[in-house]
Amino acid sequence: AQSVSQHNHHVILSEAASLELGCNYSYGGTVNLFWYVQYPGQHLQLLLKYFSGDPLVKGIKGFEAEFIKSKFSFNLRKPSVQWSDTAEYFCAVNARGGYQKVTFGIGTKLQVIP
Amino acid sequence: GAGVSQSPSNKVTEKGKDVELRCDPISGHTALYWYRQSLGQGLEFLIYFQGNSAPDKSGLPSDRFSAERTGGSVSTLTIQRTQQEDSAVYLCASSLGRTGLDTGELFFGEGSRLTVL
Repeated sequence: AQSVSQHNHHVILSEAASLELGCNYSYGGTVNLFWYVQYPGQHLQLLLKYFSGDPLVKGIKGFEAEFIKSKFSFNLRKPSVQWSDTAEYFCAVNARGGYQKVTFGIGTKLQVIP
Repeated sequence: GAGVSQSPSNKVTEKGKDVELRCDPISGHTALYWYRQSLGQGLEFLIYFQGNSAPDKSGLPSDRFSAERTGGSVSTLTIQRTQQEDSAVYLCASSLGRTGLDTGELFFGEGSRLTVL
């Protein structure tokens, strides 16, 4: 069974600071990887996803993530955060091929101070 | 519909009562998931439907929890004899669910916040 670890549970940054949120997964086969975001008072929505090809994927609002297969990692990055990025971020994984449930990490609460 | 719809958005109940939570997925999505979001626990998988059948019920925490889906569309999650530890936000999500087409991206509803007093 797959599992996901998010190392930072609560991150506080000032505006314009750079962001990197760690995500590691555990699964022996081929996976699809996702980052979802939940803004205050809103539902979860997809930020970006990786299926195949270029391991550096770009998502909405200037976010990107890099899949490093040898490290089983899919860290989320943004060079310069804004106050509007304050939200909770979830890393998720599902195994490729057939049905495999999407497993989520515990989430990281990001607070950006103006 | 345009998005995943869940009702009620808020439910306060007394310990020991039964509750029903409803999910209406995106039209044409054959896969439907229930998750539970508790403080500090992330998203806990409960059950997955493909059409009307549930090939994966592994996440249901106890036999007080059950779910069904009818007509390949609306799903109901029922919690019997609610306990205080059942208090959480219950999230429903849907995806295409079709082999070769489904990228695994989930579309979430707003959730049903359950408070058990």
